[in-house]
Amino acid sequence: DQQVKQNSPSLSVQEGRISILNCDYTNSMFDYFLWYKKYPAEGPTFLISISSIKDKNEDGRFTVFLNKSAKHLSLHIVPSQPGDSAVYFCAARMYSGGGADGLTFGKGTHLIIQP
Amino acid sequence: NAGVMQNPRHLVRRRGQEARLRCSPMKGHSHVYWYRQLPEEGLKFMVYLQKENIIDESGMPKERFSAEFPKEGPSILRIQQVVRGDSAAYFCASSRGTGSPLHFGNGTRLTVT
Repeated sequence: DQQVKQNSPSLSVQEGRISILNCDYTNSMFDYFLWYKKYPAEGPTFLISISSIKDKNEDGRFTVFLNKSAKHLSLHIVPSQPGDSAVYFCAARMYSGGGADGLTFGKGTHLIIQP
Repeated sequence: NAGVMQNPRHLVRRRGQEARLRCSPMKGHSHVYWYRQLPEEGLKFMVYLQKENIIDESGMPKERFSAEFPKEGPSILRIQQVVRGDSAAYFCASSRGTGSPLHFGNGTRLTVT
């Protein structure tokens, strides 16, 4: 049962344009969402996050939008650059109060920036 | 400013052998997490530890897998009697505490022959 879904395995965008990566979740108990970027043979690198009490968070070229009613979040990258080519993972956390649950990851979207 | 250090980067074991994967968290981080990534899959949570304590092991297989984070030294993920299905990339992450982003190491790629 996939609680965090990234339905696009890959996405191709022209350099300079906007990249929009989508993520859906099913568990309404998730309270914190993160995006990670991963290059081959490396570990995921934290990119940006958003708390469930917000609907938007911006950091430079990266903006994450959260639509709680639709259980949907998206990552916008503008303008897209060649170095943005990587696999992007959406992740969600449910803070249980006692111990902390680990993150639940989607399967990732491979973003390819074309020159 | 060392990040999360994992070793070895690559590990080859024959079926039935033991695999030991090590993880040193970032300086100042006391929370360690282990994840497994199978081919074409996302990362799956395995276990969350603090020093000398297992906080959440809900993602760990019930048999053959164990993890520890001793008072001194790295966190160890131990897989006994490995099988081919254990072949995967194992990532360790650390954080300052709950609510802080996880920082990942570059992973250990385990191949069981």
